[in-house]
Amino acid sequence: EVQLVESGGGLVEPGGSLRLSCAVSGFTVSTRYMTWVRQAPGKGLEWVSVIYSSGSTYYADSVKGRFTISRDSSKNTLYLQMNSQTTEDTAVYYCASGGAALDFWGQGTLVTVSS
Amino acid sequence: EIVLTQSPATLSLSPGDTATLSCRASQSVSGSLAWYQQKPGQAPRLLIYDASKRVTGIPARFSGSGSGTDFTLTISNLEPEDFAVYYCQHRGNSWTFGQGTKVEIK
Repeated sequence: EVQLVESGGGLVEPGGSLRLSCAVSGFTVSTRYMTWVRQAPGKGLEWVSVIYSSGSTYYADSVKGRFTISRDSSKNTLYLQMNSQTTEDTAVYYCASGGAALDFWGQGTLVTVSS
Repeated sequence: EIVLTQSPATLSLSPGDTATLSCRASQSVSGSLAWYQQKPGQAPRLLIYDASKRVTGIPARFSGSGSGTDFTLTISNLEPEDFAVYYCQHRGNSWTFGQGTKVEIK
């Protein structure tokens, strides 16, 4: 059975940093596209970042230069390092996997950026 | 960058009705479009991919159609558990989502 379990969310002050983790079971994290998608309170879905099986990474313009996606195959875990956070980054962050469509999702972790 | 526009924003229907949700792309996406269902407090769930292919385990009352720039998700004979928000999505250089359509109980 495939499971994606996010952790690491919480309250952070503007300008601060947080690292999210997504522990994967049921497949090897390095063999599939792994993405982060976020959802601000009461809003729609916004793609944040992807790491391809090749290791190539891409980011939404809204987070480029501030967020870094990575993976650790030995731990079968996906990460999102978030720096220089603003209140606009407040959202539930989901890790998700798939190709053109995202067929596996975690339950999400809430990140609140506030002073 | 491709923009996906969903309509209507809200659909008020009764159980047993048929829901017709629209997703329009700002330029052709061929057949590369997916639909998701999201219930409050839950992660999105993939329903349809490649415009019309139903994910294993998704009931047959969910169907997708369209190509190019105009796509439709049809939910026949609405069940109580179908009242939720639905998003369309395309993967080009990045994953783009529509703004969502809420199907609510009338």
